[in-house]
Amino acid sequence: SQTIHQWPATLVQPVGSPLSLECTVEGTSNPNLYWYRQAAGRGLQLLFYSVGIGQISSEVPQNLSASRPQDRQFILSSKKLLLSDSGFYLCAWAPGGNTEAFFGQGTRLTVV
Amino acid sequence: GQQVMQIPQYQHVQEGEDFTTYCNSSTTLSNIQWYKQRPGGHPVFLIQLVKSGEVKKQKRLTFQFGEAKKNSSLHITATQTTDVGTYFCAGLSLNDYKLSFGAGTTVTVRA
Repeated sequence: SQTIHQWPATLVQPVGSPLSLECTVEGTSNPNLYWYRQAAGRGLQLLFYSVGIGQISSEVPQNLSASRPQDRQFILSSKKLLLSDSGFYLCAWAPGGNTEAFFGQGTRLTVV
Repeated sequence: GQQVMQIPQYQHVQEGEDFTTYCNSSTTLSNIQWYKQRPGGHPVFLIQLVKSGEVKKQKRLTFQFGEAKKNSSLHITATQTTDVGTYFCAGLSLNDYKLSFGAGTTVTVRA
């Protein structure tokens, strides 16, 4: 069966520090991968999505970047965090086509 | 670019009453998906609608997809306390695999 791993679950980082959140999927190949951010009490903002290795689509110009170095690995990064980067970051995968997305447990990031 | 709008943002419901949440996309969709997120959790898939005008039911939940494949609704009858949470619609774009979520409807229930 397929599983998605996202870590860490919580993270407190100072302003100006770098960020690296990792998401990996097991049990499938060539998944579509997504990064979302959810501010407190708000909806899901699509940040990046990828349909293949090295293929990244960016939805919102911001302080973040994404990479997909391997088929089932999706990384969200920042060189210098801002206070406004705080939020709940969710990774998701989908098999492609008209199918549902499966979410990781999320990372709650607080920038202080 | 594609935008998915969802209303209302909040829904306070008396237990036993019905309510509806609405979703609209700025572009024609490949499909519409609905998710539920409980407080502190991650979104969990409820259902997917693919065909124009499609209607699906899950017990007390009725999902509709508009004829133009740009709007959708979720209707819950006889609301229960277990229905508490945030309901999201998500639209899959036609030309790529971009999955855009609405802002969500957060439901609270008065017993």
